[in-house]
Amino acid sequence: DAEITQSPRHKITETGRQVTLACHQTWNHNNMFWYRQDLGHGLRLIHYSYGVQDTNKGEVSDGYSVSRSNTEDLPLTLESAASSQTSVYFCASSEHRDTIYGYTFGSGTRLTVV
Amino acid sequence: AQSVTQLGSHVSVSEGALVLLRCNYSSSVPPYLFWYVQYPNQGLQLLLKYTSAATLVKGINGFEAEFKKSETSFHLTKPSAHMSDAAEYFCAVLPSGAGSYQLTFGKGTKLSVIP
Repeated sequence: DAEITQSPRHKITETGRQVTLACHQTWNHNNMFWYRQDLGHGLRLIHYSYGVQDTNKGEVSDGYSVSRSNTEDLPLTLESAASSQTSVYFCASSEHRDTIYGYTFGSGTRLTVV
Repeated sequence: AQSVTQLGSHVSVSEGALVLLRCNYSSSVPPYLFWYVQYPNQGLQLLLKYTSAATLVKGINGFEAEFKKSETSFHLTKPSAHMSDAAEYFCAVLPSGAGSYQLTFGKGTKLSVIP
């Protein structure tokens, strides 16, 4: 069955380190998204991509970057991790550009920056 | 910009009682609307969606939601709560016009079901 997987599930890192969170989907979806989830804020969009070589900034993109070299993967990089980036990160994908069919979500990565 | 307001960050109901989770959106043009559910330590799962067809939308697990344009609301209901419904629920909006293709989420409502 097609799926969307995130790795690692849990990560502890130190302030100032570069961290990359992986997202891999086998749905062959063109659209991929990264969200962070924080208590009291719901889910906020970090970056998104509508296809290979396409990347766009979301609501809370400062300190994060993404690259899209193939359809299946959209890794999220924290250039220099900060404590404010401690959060749960979700990757999602969707079939159509207008996403009216909804997103498919990964199980999340819990990142702690100490 | 689109926004979504979920009234009540935490709702408690007794098992067998009606579940009502409130969602209001801000938009001059009726958007597409979604409800997602998140069980502990899991990702989000689509419950149902409104895409300008029928205003009463039925979803999985016995949930349904009614789109009311005059009230800019899309409240989620279930006639009889089960223990397994305990989770966090998110309302989300997508503009129906061209130019923006990202979901905007509400802050979520945590549902507790009391035996």
